[in-house]
Amino acid sequence: GAVVSQHPSRVICKSGTSVKIECRSLDFQATTMFWYRQFPKQSLMLMATSNEGSKATYEQGVEKDKFLINHASLTLSTLTVTSAHPEDSSFYICSATSGIGELFFGEGSRLTVL
Amino acid sequence: GQNIDQPTEMTATEGAIVQINCTYQTSGFNGLFWYQQHAGEAPTFLSYNVLDGLEEKGRFSSFLSRSKGYSYLLLKELQMKDSASYLCAVRKTGGSYIPTFGRGTSLIVHP
Repeated sequence: GAVVSQHPSRVICKSGTSVKIECRSLDFQATTMFWYRQFPKQSLMLMATSNEGSKATYEQGVEKDKFLINHASLTLSTLTVTSAHPEDSSFYICSATSGIGELFFGEGSRLTVL
Repeated sequence: GQNIDQPTEMTATEGAIVQINCTYQTSGFNGLFWYQQHAGEAPTFLSYNVLDGLEEKGRFSSFLSRSKGYSYLLLKELQMKDSASYLCAVRKTGGSYIPTFGRGTSLIVHP
């Protein structure tokens, strides 16, 4: 099946710094990728939809200047958490569509902001 | 929007059968997904239903009734490794491929 790779899987950073998370589709071209955030024992919350070559579409309540999304190629999307704060600590997951629109997820990135 | 409701937690015994229900309300239904998510890991795809009826895939089966806004995931011959969260997700019509996820059902399988 389709494979989506996400890196890094874990990152710890100091408050005020920026962190970049990469999402790659390894065996298919993903014109659209999605970024989710998940807090403990909560469901996946869609943050933004990333389209190759255009600006990302953010969900209501998600700060686009804080969560910078870039989809520079058909196989790579990046999420940068700028000026991270402890409340940004969460599990960030990317996904991409293939075929019928089934979502394939990356492995997730656990961000801890000290 | 979409309202997706599923039980928060269920427990079952190894070797048994468990049914996880999901009800939804949406305008313009375009498919229902079930995903399995182990703690600290990303979800993995289990099934996709867009027409009424039962889809069987090994130990897992998924059922859909569009008129009732209802689906269930049936797990047979439960194994300890089936302990996970099971997410129901519904997709709307309108060109978007993005499904909306329910809160998930945490299944605990005990010996």
